[in-house]
This record gives sequence, C-alpha cells and structure tokens, in this order.
Amino acid sequence: AQKITQTQPGMFVQEKEAVTLDCTYDTSDQSYGLFWYKQPSSGEMIFLIYQGSYDEQNATEGRYSLNFQKARKSANLVISASQLGDSAMYFCAMREGLSSNTGKLIFGQGTTLQVKP
Amino acid sequence: GAVVSQHPSRVICKSGTSVKIECRSLDFQATTMFWYRQFPKQSLMLMATSNEGSKATYEQGVEKDKFLINHASLTLSTLTVTSAHPEDSSFYICSASPWGRIGYTFGSGTRLTVV
Repeated sequence: AQKITQTQPGMFVQEKEAVTLDCTYDTSDQSYGLFWYKQPSSGEMIFLIYQGSYDEQNATEGRYSLNFQKARKSANLVISASQLGDSAMYFCAMREGLSSNTGKLIFGQGTTLQVKP
Repeated sequence: GAVVSQHPSRVICKSGTSVKIECRSLDFQATTMFWYRQFPKQSLMLMATSNEGSKATYEQGVEKDKFLINHASLTLSTLTVTSAHPEDSSFYICSASPWGRIGYTFGSGTRLTVV
C-alpha cells in the first residue's frame, strides 16, 4: 500500500528566505505521480507542482521546485524567496499509476508553514 | 478552466438529520470524483471514489450506509451524510482530475457542523 510521510508538523521561515518541506513516500509501483498542494486557512486546495516517477529532471514552477530523489523515495518541496502569502498548510500527495483522472490521491500529514516578516 | 463547484460551503444541522453536499464540474466531465474528509489541522482522508453510473468505492472503515455517494451524471456527484451526529462534524471536500491535465481540481469544501 502506498504511504506518504511528512515529518515536519510546523515550520518557520523568514520572509525572502528559502525553505524546504520534507516528504517521503513508499510504494511498490514503478509508475506514480507526486504532488504538492497548498491549503490556506480558507480551506481551498491549490495545486503547486507535480513530478512523475519517470521524470529525470526535478520539476519547477516559478518559486516552487521539487527535489526528487527516487532512490531515497523523497520528494521535498523547496520554496524560494518566501512571501507572507506563503503561510499555509502544505500537503505532499501521491497517486499510484500515471493515469491522469482515475487514480486516487493519497495525502501526507501536512506541514504548517509560517513566514515571518 | 477546470472548476469544481461545491455547495454548500457551510452547513449546520441538527443531530439525526441528513445533509447533502453537491460537487459539480463546471467546464469538464468528471467521470471520477473523489471525496475527502479533513479534521482541523489534519490531513485529507480519502473516504470514497465515485464513478459516473456505478456504485462508489469506499475506503476501509468508511460506513457506506452513512455516507451515501451518488454520481448520476458526468458533471454532478453528491455526498449525503445520513443521520448525522456531532462526530460527523468535519470539512468535506471533493476532487476530480480533468482528462489530459496533471493536477487534481478541488471543490472549495463544505464545513459541516452537527449540533
């Protein structure tokens, strides 16, 4: 069975600095997708970045990058130049298989990030 | 594009009554809809997967007779919490993935309070 682990319940970062949010996963599948979502206090889920298991390069989306280390089964999110609006809960998630619309998404425990001015 | 509209956003109901939550995909066909439950400051726990025109698949430990899921069309899935009790108070959120897109689109969530 697939499992996602986020070991940092809470993190603080100074505005304009970079922060890394940890995520490790476990799966017996060779094909899988890894996602990061941001959830502000409003509750909405905002898609940040995706990494497929066969992607050789780390994914990047603006200030977000995913440090994918397949052998270690880790998919850490790096946020550069933190902004006050980055304060939120962040979830790592995994889908087994590469099917785009039928595979279920399983979430980690989440990390609450607070950006200090 | 790829919007999932979820209603109501907040609902307060009396213990013993039923509550229906709707999720509509506005600009795509959602053959599959995922329903999650989230307690404060905790993770999203998958409750069930609904497929258009067939019975929902429930995760282990989720009471299918209590959480009724209907996916009657390609754009509408509903979750009915039957005989609600205070312990059912939670944040419920639906999700679907438009064909050909990588990310999953989430509804805005429903905060249910049972009194």
